[in-house]
Amino acid sequence: QVQLQESGPGLVKPSETLSLMCTVSGVSLSNYYWAWIRQLPGKGLEWIGDGEDSGRGKYKASLRSRVSISVDKSKNQFSLRLTSVSAADSAIYYCARDQGTFIRGGHFDYWGQGILVTVSS
Amino acid sequence: DIEMTHSPSSLSASVGDRVTIGCRASQGIGNSVAWYQQKPGKAPKLLVFATSTLESGVPSRFSGGGSGTNYTLTISRLQPEDFATYYCQQYYTPPLTFGQGTKVEIK
Repeated sequence: QVQLQESGPGLVKPSETLSLMCTVSGVSLSNYYWAWIRQLPGKGLEWIGDGEDSGRGKYKASLRSRVSISVDKSKNQFSLRLTSVSAADSAIYYCARDQGTFIRGGHFDYWGQGILVTVSS
Repeated sequence: DIEMTHSPSSLSASVGDRVTIGCRASQGIGNSVAWYQQKPGKAPKLLVFATSTLESGVPSRFSGGGSGTNYTLTISRLQPEDFATYYCQQYYTPPLTFGQGTKVEIK
């Protein structure tokens, strides 16, 4: 079955770069979009962006200058890089499979369990 | 950005009740709406997509409906495992956006 698992540091210092990895099993990364979504403590869900193995990506406009998503189908992994983080970036970060297209995006049918990232000195 | 607004933000119900959660989009979203269930400490779980298509393995007591800007998720007979927070999501156009959620609590 399809499984996603996030990994990375749980604590990042302000102004530094947050880097997370999502390892996917049970399906090839080709032909899908792969997303990062975050949930601020006690709050709702925020889509960060999507990437796919051709290198194309789309990002939430307010984060676009700081975020990149890369897909490595040889390792069946995709990653999130968020630069210049602040306390406002503290959240649970989820990776997920997006069933949509590049133009529209879609619904998310498989999710990782989530990883809590705290931005603090 | 398309804003998704839940109603109500929370509700109390009993096992066996019929429960309907609403979600209003700030503009038409052409039936491109999904619903998720989230329990504490867990990732969201997809229940419904394309307004009314039930994800594989989801019990038939869940159903989705609506059109234009107004969408609903109905649980026909609430079960103990259904107490959770439910989120709608639009994927009509990026940025993909979620509602703030409806928490279903035990009465």
